[in-house]
Amino acid sequence: KQEVTQIPAALSVPEGENLVLNCSFTDSAIYNLQWFRQDPGKGLTSLLLIQSSQREQTSGRLNASLDKSSGRSTLYIAASQPGDSATYLCAVVNNNDMRFGAGTRLTVKP
Amino acid sequence: GAGVSQTPSNKVTEKGKYVELRCDPISGHTALYWYRQSLGQGPEFLIYFQGTGAADDSGLPNDRFFAVRPEGSVSTLKIQRTERGDSAVYLCASSSGLAGGKDTQYFGPGTRLTVL
Repeated sequence: KQEVTQIPAALSVPEGENLVLNCSFTDSAIYNLQWFRQDPGKGLTSLLLIQSSQREQTSGRLNASLDKSSGRSTLYIAASQPGDSATYLCAVVNNNDMRFGAGTRLTVKP
Repeated sequence: GAGVSQTPSNKVTEKGKYVELRCDPISGHTALYWYRQSLGQGPEFLIYFQGTGAADDSGLPNDRFFAVRPEGSVSTLKIQRTERGDSAVYLCASSSGLAGGKDTQYFGPGTRLTVL
């Protein structure tokens, strides 16, 4: 059974810092990996999707990398802003279902 | 529609009661998913529909949980004899279905279920 782990569980940084969120998974036979953002009391917003054949995806200040063989992905956020404060979830797809990590709760202080 | 919608947004019920949670997917999306998210955890997969049929229901925790999608659009998650442990946010997502269960999923805002 696929297990997804996210480290750290919580992170607090001052505004303007670059930061990295980590995700690891136990079964490397994935179809894709997706990073989501979740604001308190809200649903999930997809940030980046990396297909299994890809190494990275970029969107604005966000860059996600994938190392399938080692079962790892990182989400890099450049020049963090208070509006980036949210929980960031990593999810992997094997077959037809998506498995999520528990998330990293990010706080960016002004 | 513009996005995935779920109703109600909040549901409070008593232990032992029956509840139904509704999901309206994005128009034209053939794939629909239900997840359950407990406090401080990531969403947990429950069931996946491709069209009207449940392609994968391996995540349903027990036979008190059942989901239908009779016309391949709206889906209803049904929970019988609710227990306090069923309290969670129930999330629905849909995708185009063009890549089976592997394309981008778009999530609704969720229904917060509280069982007293």
